[in-house]
Amino acid sequence: KTQVEQSPQSLVVRQGENCVLQCNYSVTPDNHLRWFKQDTGKGLVSLTVLVDQKDKTSNGRYSATLDKDAKHSTLHITATLLDDTATYICVVGDRGSALGRLHFGAGTQLIVIP
Amino acid sequence: EAAVTQSPRSKVAVTGGKVTLSCHQTNNHDYMYWYRQDTGHGLRLIHYSYVADSTEKGDIPDGYKASRPSQENFSLILELASLSQTAVYFCASKGLNTLYFGAGTRLSVL
Repeated sequence: KTQVEQSPQSLVVRQGENCVLQCNYSVTPDNHLRWFKQDTGKGLVSLTVLVDQKDKTSNGRYSATLDKDAKHSTLHITATLLDDTATYICVVGDRGSALGRLHFGAGTQLIVIP
Repeated sequence: EAAVTQSPRSKVAVTGGKVTLSCHQTNNHDYMYWYRQDTGHGLRLIHYSYVADSTEKGDIPDGYKASRPSQENFSLILELASLSQTAVYFCASKGLNTLYFGAGTRLSVL
C-alpha cells in the first residue's frame, strides 16, 4: 500500500504564478520529511527537510510546511520560473538515523509555461 | 563538492544477460543505496550497505545482487536480466543530515 501520496499528479502554471504541492502520508513513525526536485533525466536534489511536529522552512522561492498531527506537508513555490519545471518528490523518513527507511511519493510533475 | 557518479547512464540489455550498474561516491559516507524508479511510482529500495564488504536487502531485492568492495564503490548486479527490470536505477549516499543521489541509469531490457 502506498504510504506517501502526492497531489496533484501534474500541474501546469504560467511563469510568475505561485503554486502549492501537497503531500499526505501514513508512515509511522515519521521522523522527518524531505522535498526533492528531480529535473528530467537527472537525479534528486534536496530542497528542504522538515523535522518538528509543526515545522516551516524557507529556501529562496521554496517554502514548506509540515504538520505531523495531520501527517501532511506542503511545498510552496513563489513566482515560478521556467527552470522550476521538474518533478517534485516528497520523502518521509521513519527514523533519524541512517538505519531508518525512506518512503517515497510518486511525485508531482510541475510544468511552467511562458 | 559532494558527488555520486553512476555508470553507465543508459544501457540496453538482452533478456537473460548479466548487467552490472556501478556507483562511486566521494562524500566519505558509510551508507549507500540502490533504488529503482518506475513511472508513476515512488523510488523503491533494492539493496543498501553501511560498510565495505557488506550489503543488506532492501524492500525488493529479488533478482538483484549488490557488491560493496570499498567505501566509495557500490554495484548492482542483475545476473539474469528480465523484462520487468526495465527501469531507472538510482544510487544514493547518506551522511548524518545529507542525502545525495546520482543522476540515474536508464536500463532497458529487451
